Amino acid sequence: AQTVTQSQPEMSVQEAETVTLSCTYDTSESDYYLFWYKQPPSRQMILVIRQEAYKQQNATENRFSVNFQKAAKSFSLKISDSQLGDAAMYFCAYRSAKGGSEKLVFGKGTKLTVNP
Amino acid sequence: KAGVTQTPRYLIKTRGQQVTLSCSPISGHRSVSWYQQTPGQGLQFLFEYFSETQRNKGNFPGRFSGRQFSNSRSEMNVSTLELGDSALYLCASSLSGPGRQQETQYFGPGTRLLVL
Repeated sequence: AQTVTQSQPEMSVQEAETVTLSCTYDTSESDYYLFWYKQPPSRQMILVIRQEAYKQQNATENRFSVNFQKAAKSFSLKISDSQLGDAAMYFCAYRSAKGGSEKLVFGKGTKLTVNP
Repeated sequence: KAGVTQTPRYLIKTRGQQVTLSCSPISGHRSVSWYQQTPGQGLQFLFEYFSETQRNKGNFPGRFSGRQFSNSRSEMNVSTLELGDSALYLCASSLSGPGRQQETQYFGPGTRLLVL
């Protein structure tokens, strides 16, 4: 079974600074998807960024980018120019590309605090 | 386009009762997944429905069940409630379907269930 590990329960960053959230995963599959979701205090889970395992190029979405290291099974999220609105729980998630299932396997999350 | 909606948003029940939660996916989305979120266990996959058929199921007891209707709306039911069932129940929808495994899941705001 696949597992996702987020080793940093909490992180903090100064406004306008850069922060990196870590995620590692364990799988025997070669084709899969990886996601970072953000859950603000309002509780609505929002997709931040996604990465297809077959793509070597790291995904980027505005101030958010990932460092995908397939061999190391590592998928970190970098937030540049942090803003107060970035404060939230961040979850790393894995989804298999086999079988047609949409099932997501989540890590325990990292609580990000942004200090003004 | 309206997002994923879940009703009710908050619910208080007592042990032994049963509860039904509802999820309306984004218009046109055919896949609905359910997750349980607790502080201790994090986000855990409950089940997934596509075209009224359960496509995948997580490791939850038989007290947890669900179904999907022809309009893609989904309900989940928990019978004989236990204190440990207190959680945020999240629903997610996606377009899914043959050849569409790359679709992103969009989450609803969740239903907060408290079992006393």
